[in-house]
Amino acid sequence: QSALTQPPSASGSPGQSVTISCTGTSSDVGGHNYVSWYQQHPGKAPKLIIFEVTKRPSGVPDRFSGSKSGNTASLTVSGLQAEDEADYYCSSYAGNDNVIFGGGTTLTVL
Amino acid sequence: QVQLQESGPGLVKPSETLSLTCAVSGYSIRDGFYWGWIRQPPGKGLEWIGSVGSMYHNWATSYNPSLKSRVTISVDTSKNQFSLKLNSVTAADTAVYYCARIWGGSSHVENWGQGTLVTVSS
Repeated sequence: QSALTQPPSASGSPGQSVTISCTGTSSDVGGHNYVSWYQQHPGKAPKLIIFEVTKRPSGVPDRFSGSKSGNTASLTVSGLQAEDEADYYCSSYAGNDNVIFGGGTTLTVL
Repeated sequence: QVQLQESGPGLVKPSETLSLTCAVSGYSIRDGFYWGWIRQPPGKGLEWIGSVGSMYHNWATSYNPSLKSRVTISVDTSKNQFSLKLNSVTAADTAVYYCARIWGGSSHVENWGQGTLVTVSS
């Protein structure tokens, strides 16, 4: 199973919106509504910010939103803040109780 | 609130077995969820290693196909912990290893341990 494809980097100015894509196949992203997104600050464990494509855990700001079209999922961060600067990883259920991750995207707040 | 804490040797020799334990507090591993391991080589992305289901899932295990021949995940309900064994390690297995509580339905990680760095070197 190959990793999901994410752009290595993304950037935006404070207050702007940024969208990060995550492309898989019909066996993973396209075949299940089980895409999740994680935020990871340097030296820290990842943190769940989106699950089941569009749902936010309690405590995650509604500036973070998720969507999916076909084999590509997307994470949008609206109203960028300095604290949003981090690495972002997507993941998807891939069948047979397995999960695959994307390669990660480094978000820079300019 | 559930907490997970990894423990184990930080240095393992090539060809030997990497062994880590995850102690869980604030929730009984018998009661639900899946319990798993994810790793992250230095400066690289995340890799799913595998998971074990709770008692309600008959403690069923599943493993990343690329690691399946070398991985075993097991549970110790008396200590409310679960473990990872990865045998025949090489330098490519050097990584931060995270233990995790996983929502089985959609396989998203709800809770992460802080992670522990394991270096494979002679």
